[in-house]
Amino acid sequence: DTEVTQTPKHLVMGMTNKKSLKCEQHMGHRAMYWYKQKAKKPPELMFVYSYEKLSINESVPSRFSPECPNSSLLNLHLHALQPEDSALYLCASSQGFGVGYEQYFGPGTRLTVT
Amino acid sequence: QQQVKQSPQSLIVQKGGISIINCAYENTAFDYFPWYQQFPGKGPALLIAIRPDVSEKKEGRFTISFNKSAKQFSLHIMDSQPGDSATYFCAASPNTGNQFYFGTGTSLTVIP
Repeated sequence: DTEVTQTPKHLVMGMTNKKSLKCEQHMGHRAMYWYKQKAKKPPELMFVYSYEKLSINESVPSRFSPECPNSSLLNLHLHALQPEDSALYLCASSQGFGVGYEQYFGPGTRLTVT
Repeated sequence: QQQVKQSPQSLIVQKGGISIINCAYENTAFDYFPWYQQFPGKGPALLIAIRPDVSEKKEGRFTISFNKSAKQFSLHIMDSQPGDSATYFCAASPNTGNQFYFGTGTSLTVIP
């Protein structure tokens, strides 16, 4: 099973809402990633968790808060977002965090901030 | 600053033709070069990847050519099919970790 699942598939939220995105993998991978992708642009790395510890935060605004409750789950908590945060949010996982590990992407959550 | 430059931005190829997408980088610490294929509304899927110790890698109709001295690599899709119509991203990862730096993407359209 090489699947990364993400829920919900679509999310519409107001600027004062609090919501969460969820990502799950059962491949025994120990590194998990959040990316943001705008239309017709490449994915941009937001956060990396390696062995359930946050190892990379690419200067993401604090209105995005990641959480890794266990090795299979990754959440992204959203609060007070701006309309420019509307994008496809992708989760990925890899066996480890080191050069050459393939990253497997989920289908993404399409987020619209109104 | 774009760490990986990708061209062309869009490409139209006849069915059965060869599609070629090029990428270039400057950072000599890059040590892993994957290519991803993305269909609309889907996440990127790994197609093929190469390390700099080889100059070419082939998997089915997909071939990566790698030129370490020129710091360039390219994806060749042989016998292109309409089902190959998608956006293709090259990427590079440094030898110190697994952060991917993606190219800007190429939208490929294969005409029947």
